[in-house]
Amino acid sequence: EDQVTQSPEALRLQEGESSSLNCSYTVSGLRGLFWYRQDPGKGPEFLFTLYSAGEEKEKERLKATLTKKESFLHITAPKPEDSATYLCAVRTTNGGATNKLIFGTGTLLAVQP
Amino acid sequence: EPEVTQTPSHQVTQMGQEVILRCVPISNHLYFYWYRQILGQKVEFLVSFYNNEISEKSEIFDDQFSVERPDGSNFTLKIRSTKLEDSAMYFCASKVWTAGDGYTFGSGTRLTVV
Repeated sequence: EDQVTQSPEALRLQEGESSSLNCSYTVSGLRGLFWYRQDPGKGPEFLFTLYSAGEEKEKERLKATLTKKESFLHITAPKPEDSATYLCAVRTTNGGATNKLIFGTGTLLAVQP
Repeated sequence: EPEVTQTPSHQVTQMGQEVILRCVPISNHLYFYWYRQILGQKVEFLVSFYNNEISEKSEIFDDQFSVERPDGSNFTLKIRSTKLEDSAMYFCASKVWTAGDGYTFGSGTRLTVV
């Protein structure tokens, strides 16, 4: 069964304190790994898609990387406005041309000034 | 930037009542989805819709649920007889084409069944 696991469940950082969030996955075949940001009471906001091991993408203070088993979301010098839940999701080849996303439970990030 | 719009933002309904959740996807998008998130749990896939028919659905999407694209802009999720366990945030999402990026989610409808 396809599965996505995120760690830690919650992370508290001081402003400027860099860290990484982890997303490990077990899937039959990967057709894309997605990172989303979710603010309280809002829908997921797209950040990155990664397709193959070794791929990296950056956006402001965020950098996403991908290996064959996991993805990391690196946050460099975070600011309080980076506080949110970060969701990882995969699209797989299970059952053919599926387009559904399988989500992890997310990492709740709190950045204190 | 184009948005997926969902209405209402919050709906309270009595158990056993029918509810219709509405979504306006991004205008040039062709693939439409409903997901739900029970408080404190994962975002879960419900159904995908393409070319005026369901292309995939999850085990959650039983006979109590239906989807419709009644006109060129709206995409609806109907729950025929709501149960307490249907209380959740329901998110609509759309995508322009099958293999690309860009699942854009709406802000959600919070459904509370009492």
